[in-house]
Amino acid sequence: DAGVIQSPRHEVTEMGQEVTLRCKPISGHNSLFWYRQTMMRGLELLIYFNNNVPIDDSGMPEDRFSAKMPNASFSTLKIQPSEPRDSAVYFCASSPLGGSGNTIYFGEGSWLTVV
Amino acid sequence: GENVEQHPSTLSVQEGDSAVIKCTYSDSASNYFPWYKQELGKRPQLIIDIRSNVGEKKDQRIAVTLNKTAKHFSLHITETQPEDSAVYFCAARSDRFAGGYNKLIFGAGTRLAVHP
Repeated sequence: DAGVIQSPRHEVTEMGQEVTLRCKPISGHNSLFWYRQTMMRGLELLIYFNNNVPIDDSGMPEDRFSAKMPNASFSTLKIQPSEPRDSAVYFCASSPLGGSGNTIYFGEGSWLTVV
Repeated sequence: GENVEQHPSTLSVQEGDSAVIKCTYSDSASNYFPWYKQELGKRPQLIIDIRSNVGEKKDQRIAVTLNKTAKHFSLHITETQPEDSAVYFCAARSDRFAGGYNKLIFGAGTRLAVHP
C-alpha cells in the first residue's frame, strides 16, 4: 500500500489567500484525522472523520478552517483566509476502524508557510 | 480533560548508552499506549505500542513498560545509535466510549540526540 498520501507537500502563500490541503487515506481505513504540528503546540488534532462523517471537530481553531470528506478515499482541509499564524505542518492520518487499539498511520505532511 | 505529560523534553546521550523517556496519563480508562518516532522533516511513525493487559513489551533494542496503578509508561532504548536521534512522542487512548470514538492524546515529545 502507498500509505496516506497528502498534497501539496510544501506550500508558500500570501496572507489572505485560500489554502486547500488534500489527503487520500489508506484503502480500507474508515477513520481519518487531520493534525497540525507546530513547535509551540506540538501535535494537535483538528478534526476526526469516521466513515466520511465528521465526529469530532473540537480542535478546529476557528471558522477560517473547514474540512470535508466527500468519499472514503478523499478529504480536504481548507483555510480561508490564511494568516501567518497558520504556518505549520499539517498531517493527515488514517486508521482501520475507529475503536481503541488501532494504529494511526500518518501521511508525509503538508508544510504550509503563510507570509 | 485527558492529558499526557512527557519527560524529558530533550535528552542527550552518548552512542551505546541507554535512553529512557517517561509519560504519565490522566484518564484511568486509557488502555492503549503507542510510541511514535519522528525524524527531522518526516512524519511520525509508530515504533512500538502496548495495551493495558501487559506490563512490558520488547522489540529488539526498544522496550515499553506500563504501570497502570501509577498511570505511567516508559520507552527504553538500549545501545543507542546515531540513527535513533529523533523526536519521540508517547500517546494514550481509552475505551471510555465503547464502540465509539476515543481520542488519541499525544505527549509534547522528547527530542533525543545520540552523539557518536
